[in-house]
Amino acid sequence: GQQVMQIPQYQHVQEGEDFTTYCNSSTTLSNIQWYKQRPGGHPVFLIQLVKSGEVKKQKRLTFQFGEAKKNSSLHITATQTTDVGTYFCAERSNTGKLIFGQGTTLQVKP
Amino acid sequence: NAGVTQTPKFQVLKTGQSMTLQCAQDMNHEYMSWYRQDPGMGLRLIHYSVGAGITDQGEVPNGYNVSRSTTEDFPLRLLSAAPSQTSVYFCASSYSGGRTDTQYFGPGTRLTVL
Repeated sequence: GQQVMQIPQYQHVQEGEDFTTYCNSSTTLSNIQWYKQRPGGHPVFLIQLVKSGEVKKQKRLTFQFGEAKKNSSLHITATQTTDVGTYFCAERSNTGKLIFGQGTTLQVKP
Repeated sequence: NAGVTQTPKFQVLKTGQSMTLQCAQDMNHEYMSWYRQDPGMGLRLIHYSVGAGITDQGEVPNGYNVSRSTTEDFPLRLLSAAPSQTSVYFCASSYSGGRTDTQYFGPGTRLTVL
C-alpha cells in the first residue's frame, strides 16, 4: 500500500549545526505536508508542497519537493534548542487520508 | 475558538474494560479522524469521517468503533481494551478531505491498558 519512508529516525546535533530529514516514496506523491511535534505535544502543521521541484522557506527552515515528486526534504539551518522535536512528512490522499512517515526526532545540544 | 479538544488527557484501563475517547471541534470542519501514535511508528490512521453520519476505516481499525452523529463530535470507542492498545491517541480535523487542507490536531489522550 501507500508508504512514505522517512530518514533518519533520530538525529543529535550541536546547537548551530544544520539538520536535514528526508521523505521518500516508491510512488509519485500528489502533495507533501510537514508537521512538527514538540516533546509531549501534538503535531502542528508547518507547510505543504504540491508542485514538482517546489521550494519553500520559513525563516531557517527550507522545504523541497523533488522534481519527480517522489521525495521531499526539510532542512534547518543553524539549529536552535527550540527546534527540538519530531518532524513528520505526510501525504494527503484524494480521500482525505493523511499517511505519515515514521518521523525524525531531532535533539539539539546547547 | 477552542480548536480540537480531547478528553480525557490520561487514562488507565484494565484489560477487557471499555471506554470512549471524546473529541470535539468548533471550527465547523467536515473531516475528522483518529490516529494512534506508537514509538518508531509515526501516526497511524484508525478511523475517519468525511461528514456527519459517514465513517470509514483507516490503517488500523480493529478493536475500535466510531460514530459521527454531529459535525462537532467524533468519539472513539474501545469495546474491550487490550494491552496492545496502549498508545497516544490524537483526534484531528480539517475543513474538508481535500488534498490541500490543513489538519488540526487535538492535544492527545495517553492511554495505558494493564
